[in-house]
Amino acid sequence: EVQLVESGGGVVRPGGSLRLSCAASGFTFDDYGLSWVRQAPGKGLEWVSGINWSGSNTHYAESVKGRFSISRDNAKNSLYLQMNSLGAEDTALYHCARPGVVGHPGAFDIWGQGTMVAVSS
Amino acid sequence: EIVLTQSPGTLSLSPGERATLSCRASQSVSSNYLAWYQQKPGQAPRLLIYGASSRAIGIPDRFSGSGSGTDFTVTISRLEPEDFAVYYCQHYHSSPPTWTFGQGTKVEIK
Repeated sequence: EVQLVESGGGVVRPGGSLRLSCAASGFTFDDYGLSWVRQAPGKGLEWVSGINWSGSNTHYAESVKGRFSISRDNAKNSLYLQMNSLGAEDTALYHCARPGVVGHPGAFDIWGQGTMVAVSS
Repeated sequence: EIVLTQSPGTLSLSPGERATLSCRASQSVSSNYLAWYQQKPGQAPRLLIYGASSRAIGIPDRFSGSGSGTDFTVTISRLEPEDFAVYYCQHYHSSPPTWTFGQGTKVEIK
């Protein structure tokens, strides 16, 4: 079964840091780029960051640029998101997602269930 | 930056009725990079439509997508109980790679 499973969420104080992980299974991990997409409680979806298959190209939403860093370890079939200088606006459920439709690099066909990050003092 | 505006915010319909959801882009976009997702409470989003009009694997044919340029639509021909959910449109910008979502349309039972 093709699967993405996130972990690493939790409660963190404003200004703190957290590292999220996403474990992939059921597909050839290094055939695909991956992204992080978040959803604040009761709100819509927001793309956060993306990385290409090799890890050589990374991209960020303006809201997290300079604070978040995406990376991957193809040997471990894992995606990561290092989050620094966290603020209340970063409180959200963080999903990893795979754009896996052939010829349509923007369509996320596989999503994880998400890991919750709560920034609170 | 492209902004996607979905309408209406909430659609109140009965099972068996037809639902028409709209997504308007702030500037013309490639249909190839326009997708729609369905999200039910407590679940991850599910890809419905990609390339503006192609159904994803496992999506029933009562769902259809159309549109070009700045105006895109997803239609549910006859609502089933499991179709009541929130629907998001999404655009992919290829250079640099970034993704933008609309704010969502909630389809609720009338």
